[in-house]
Amino acid sequence: EPEVTQTPSHQVTQMGQEVILRCVPISNHLYFYWYRQILGQKVEFLVSFYNNEISEKSEIFDDQFSVERPDGSNFTLKIRSTKLEDSAMYFCASSEPPVSGNTIYFGEGSWLTVV
Amino acid sequence: AQSVSQHNHHVILSEAASLELGCNYSYGGTVNLFWYVQYPGQHLQLLLKYFSGDPLVKGIKGFEAEFIKSKFSFNLRKPSVQWSDTAEYFCAVNARAGGFKTIFGAGTRLFVKA
Repeated sequence: EPEVTQTPSHQVTQMGQEVILRCVPISNHLYFYWYRQILGQKVEFLVSFYNNEISEKSEIFDDQFSVERPDGSNFTLKIRSTKLEDSAMYFCASSEPPVSGNTIYFGEGSWLTVV
Repeated sequence: AQSVSQHNHHVILSEAASLELGCNYSYGGTVNLFWYVQYPGQHLQLLLKYFSGDPLVKGIKGFEAEFIKSKFSFNLRKPSVQWSDTAEYFCAVNARAGGFKTIFGAGTRLFVKA
């Protein structure tokens, strides 16, 4: 079964450093997402991406965050200057077009620890 | 704005007990509804989904959920839980008019005693 894959699975970074989390969505999907889950808390929507642009973003997704689809397969989340409170599990997801009900399929997550 | 509430934050059951996890959503339009499961240390996996048709949907591992439109509810059920069902369960909603952004409830942690 096709999967969303994410790298790295775990990254430790110093506060203020830039981090790039990478994702390879399911190949025939057109909609891509990043979600975040702080330890012990709910899954929070960050951003959705379609047709090479952001279609929606949450309040969490401020100027420190950016997304990019640099080629035909990768979808990246960049955090420009990490803060302690950015420590979380970041899930990439992708989905088929909304006519299919927009079921999103998640990757295994990238666990980011900011120290 | 859409919102999802899950009534139980923690549930402890013995094996073979029946399970029902509550989920209510807030949105007046047409919605798609999902339950995801997250086993310890793992990612979110789709358990089941409802788009249209029969409001009683069956998912993997013996789970089912019933959409009751009048109550804005989509409760998850399983007649007899197993120790391996220990996990966190998330109800989620997206709406066509909301651009299909999927919103998650806070989750319910289920612990099944062997």
